[in-house]
Amino acid sequence: QDQLVQSGAEVKKPGASVTISCRASGFTFSRYYIHWFRLAPKEGPEWMGRVNPNDGSASYAQKFQGRVLMTSDASTTTVYMEVNSLRSEDTAIYYCSRDRGQTWYYDALDLWGQGTVVIVSS
Amino acid sequence: DIQMTQSPSAMSASIGDRVTITCRASQGVSPFLVWFQQKPGKVPKRLISGVSRLEGGVPPRFSGSGSGTEFTLTITSLQPEDFATYYCLQHSSFPLTFGGGTKVEMK
Repeated sequence: QDQLVQSGAEVKKPGASVTISCRASGFTFSRYYIHWFRLAPKEGPEWMGRVNPNDGSASYAQKFQGRVLMTSDASTTTVYMEVNSLRSEDTAIYYCSRDRGQTWYYDALDLWGQGTVVIVSS
Repeated sequence: DIQMTQSPSAMSASIGDRVTITCRASQGVSPFLVWFQQKPGKVPKRLISGVSRLEGGVPPRFSGSGSGTEFTLTITSLQPEDFATYYCLQHSSFPLTFGGGTKVEMK
């Protein structure tokens, strides 16, 4: 069945970088965009950006521009998100989710990864 | 950025109650409006897409309605498993933005 499987939990020190992966299976990878979201403690969910696995192009929330890099590898149907210059406020659960684009708006964000916990602590 | 104003931010309700949650967008977002249910430690669960399309497997006591800038999620008869936080999300334009959430608690 369709799945998005994320990499495991990470503990990082402030200033470090983390890379989270999201591997797709069971569906045609090239037909979907992949979004990244995060849910921080005591906060609402937040959209971080979206990557197009077909050409690797990405769009980012302004808040994360320059500090986050989203990439994709079609050969392994995996997308990656690198977050640099980590600070304590980046402690959160990070999720990937798929989207087929606005023509298929009713399919938006129907499938989610299981989440990756990232803890930033000295 | 499109602002999504969700109300109420929290509510106390009893089993069997009718629950209504509202989201107001700062500009028109139809039909790019999704409702999610979030429980602690769980993956967000999509309930409604395209304003009113019920996700497969979601009980019909959940429904979505609205257009333009005003949207509503209704639970017709609250069940024990429905105590959770609910969010609306617009995906009409970047950045995607969520409402502030509605925490539904047991009265």
